[in-house]
Amino acid sequence: EDQVTQSPEALRLQEGESSSLNCSYTVSGLRGLFWYRQDPGKGPEFLFTLYSAGEEKEKERLKATLTKKESFLHITAPKPEDSATYLCAVTTQGGSEKLVFGKGTKLTVNP
Amino acid sequence: GAGVSQSPRYKVAKRGQDVALRCDPISGHVSLFWYQQALGQGPEFLTYFQNEAQLDKSGLPSDRFFAERPEGSVSTLKIQRTQQEDSAVYLCASSLGPDTGELFFGEGSRLTVL
Repeated sequence: EDQVTQSPEALRLQEGESSSLNCSYTVSGLRGLFWYRQDPGKGPEFLFTLYSAGEEKEKERLKATLTKKESFLHITAPKPEDSATYLCAVTTQGGSEKLVFGKGTKLTVNP
Repeated sequence: GAGVSQSPRYKVAKRGQDVALRCDPISGHVSLFWYQQALGQGPEFLTYFQNEAQLDKSGLPSDRFFAERPEGSVSTLKIQRTQQEDSAVYLCASSLGPDTGELFFGEGSRLTVL
């Protein structure tokens, strides 16, 4: 069974304190790995897609990286507005188009 | 509107009632998904449409759950004889087509079954 595990479940940072969120996956064959951001009461918002080991993508203070077993979302000098739940998801080879999500990491950035 | 629209945003049902949740995807989006999200959890896949064809319904938890997209645009998720364990946020998402990666999510319909 395809599994996505995110850690930590929750993370509190001070403004400007850089850190990383982890997403490890066990799948039959990875097609794509996705990062989404979800604010309370809202639907998830797309951030990045990664397709192969070694790939990296950046957007403002966020950088996503991918290895054969896991992905990291690096947050550099976070601001309070970066507070949200960050969700990781995968699509698999031979499967349908569905995304399999992890439980998310709830990030709180204090001013 | 420019985004995915879901209605109602909030629904309270008594146990045993039937409910219908509506999703208006972004115009021109071929793919449409329904997800269920319990409090503090990630979204769980329910079903997937490509145009009007339901290509994957492996995530529907029981035969009380039914989804349709008859004209390849608006979709309805119907839950019959609701149970307390059906309480969750139901998210709809659409994308341009298969393998396009980015899903656009609506804000969800929060269902509470009393």
